[in-house]
Order: sequence, then C-alpha cells, then structure tokens
Amino acid sequence: DIQMTQSPSILSASLGDRVTITCRASQSLNGWLAWYQQKPGKAPKLLIYRVSNLEDGVPSRFSGSGSETDFTLTISSLQPDDLATYYCQQYLRYRTFGQGTKVEVK
Amino acid sequence: EVQLVESGGGLVTPGGSLRLSCAASGFTFKNTWMSWVRQAPGKGLEWVGRIKSISDDGTTGYAAPVKDRFIISRDDSKDTVYLHMNSLKTEDTAVYYCTTDQTRSDVWGQGTLVTVSS
Repeated sequence: DIQMTQSPSILSASLGDRVTITCRASQSLNGWLAWYQQKPGKAPKLLIYRVSNLEDGVPSRFSGSGSETDFTLTISSLQPDDLATYYCQQYLRYRTFGQGTKVEVK
Repeated sequence: EVQLVESGGGLVTPGGSLRLSCAASGFTFKNTWMSWVRQAPGKGLEWVGRIKSISDDGTTGYAAPVKDRFIISRDDSKDTVYLHMNSLKTEDTAVYYCTTDQTRSDVWGQGTLVTVSS
C-alpha cells in the first residue's frame, strides 16, 4: 500500500499570509496526486489534480507543485474562506489520503 | 444537476450488517468508476474501496481494514452503487461518502452516518 505523510497537522497563520502544506508519498506517484479542501460537516472539495492543475472555479491563490514523492500545496494569501482542513491524496494505485492539515487563524 | 445521494446509514450492533446505497443523477453513471470514502468522527478521510464501470470489467478494490468484510456492487439500470458492510466493528463508525472515481471534476454525496455500537 502507498502511504501518504502530510505536515503539519495544524497550521496557524494570519490572514494574508503565504501558507504551505507538504505531503510525502512512500513511493513515486508519477504525478497522480490531488489536493482536497474540507470544511466541517461538508464533503471534501477537489482543489488540484495531477499535482498542479487547478480544478474549475478554484481561486488562483491556490497552487500545487512537486514530483516523485514530495508535493506542496500553497495558498498565496490566506483568506477567511480558506480556513479548513486540507488533504493530499494519491491515486496511482487505488487511493490513499494524507492525515490532513487544519488551517486556522493565528 | 449532477448529484449523488447516499442512504441506508444508521445504528447497528457489532457483528451486524448494513447496506448503503448511493443514487446518481445528472451524468452517465454506467461509464463512471465509483468509490466509497469514510470519515470517523473527528478524524481524517479514509478510502474504503471502488468499483470500475462494467465496460472496464467492473472489478472492485478495497482498503485493508475492510477487505473481506465489505463488498461494493452497482446496478447501472438504477444508476446506483452499493456498499454492503458485514461483520461490522465499532471502528467502522463513520460518515460514509460515495464519490465518482475520476481525475477531475469529481462528485461527492452528502454522506450518511453509520454508527456501530451495542
């Protein structure tokens, strides 16, 4: 099974800050990496697919990068609507989620 | 409108069984691979399993914690995917989501809560 390790678990930042979340896979994913946003009581929402492709309707302040086993989700300027939990997910073989990163206001 | 609606959740005793349903609308269900994802209270997302479209051989795959206990099936005539859960354990307590298994523009249901407790 492919394991996904995400960090940090909790990220405290100020509105307007640049925020970075990292995700590491136990093997190379050949680009099969996505990022999701989830708000309390809601289903997850796809933000980025294939490492760096922005899903339709997702603000351009979100970006993804990385390769092989190491990946990053960046929010260029944290907005109130971005306070949520973020998950990376591999889909090279079946699917596996990272443990999640809760983004909160400092 | 593209939509997935889960049903069938509820309270079940340990060792019991339950069947969840997920009704699809607004897209060509028969061509779509489908997955189930769960989330225990206060915890992260956990992929449960998926079923391919019949045209792609209709095979299933499962996460280790549910393999041999859970079965995913589909009825394309009803645009519905099912999650048959057997030998339920307290650790299976979670909100269960169905979702389209695709690279982009995926669709998620609202989730249905399964509580396993005596």
